[in-house]
Amino acid sequence: EVQLVESGGGLVRPGGSLRLSCAASGFIFSDASMSWVRQAPGKGLEWVGRIKTTTDGGTIDYAAPVQGRFTISRDDSKNTLYLQMKSLRSEDTAVYYCTTHRGYSWGSVFDYWGQGTLVTVSS
Amino acid sequence: DIQMTQSPSSLSASVGDRVTITCQASQDIRNYLNWYQQRPGKAPKLLIYDASNLETGVPSRFSGSGSGTHFTFTISSLQPEDFATYYCQEYDSLPFFGPGTKVDI
Repeated sequence: EVQLVESGGGLVRPGGSLRLSCAASGFIFSDASMSWVRQAPGKGLEWVGRIKTTTDGGTIDYAAPVQGRFTISRDDSKNTLYLQMKSLRSEDTAVYYCTTHRGYSWGSVFDYWGQGTLVTVSS
Repeated sequence: DIQMTQSPSSLSASVGDRVTITCQASQDIRNYLNWYQQRPGKAPKLLIYDASNLETGVPSRFSGSGSGTHFTFTISSLQPEDFATYYCQEYDSLPFFGPGTKVDI
């Protein structure tokens, strides 16, 4: 059974940093492209970024609102996906989900989702 | 960036109703369009991928169609557990979600 468990969320002041983790199990993590998707309170879904497999070069793409402030990485030895967030703003307040890409492909069809972790940016 | 619009933004329906949601892309996205269901407090769930393919385990009352810029999502007979918010999402280039359609009673 595929499981994705996010952690690391919490309250952080504007301008601060936070690192989210997503522990994966039930599939071959090293073969899977992964994404982060977020959802501000009461709002819709927003894709944050994605990372290819290390074998495929580990290419990373980011959404424009987070480009230059957020960094996605992966540790295949730990089956864990990370999202390092810095220079946080109030508009980054959201539940952050990690997702798998269907069929281990680069195409962004998000078939498995974690339960999400809440990040609140406030003074 | 590709812009995605969904209509309606919300609708009221009853059990047994046929429900149709449309999604429009600002440019041709071929068939790179997915549909998700999100119940309150839960993570989204993939229902339809590549415009018309039913994800494994998803009931056949859900269907999708379209290509290019215009897409349709249909629930043939609404069930109590289908009251939720539905999102389209394109991935022709970078992924973008539509604003969502809330289906309630």
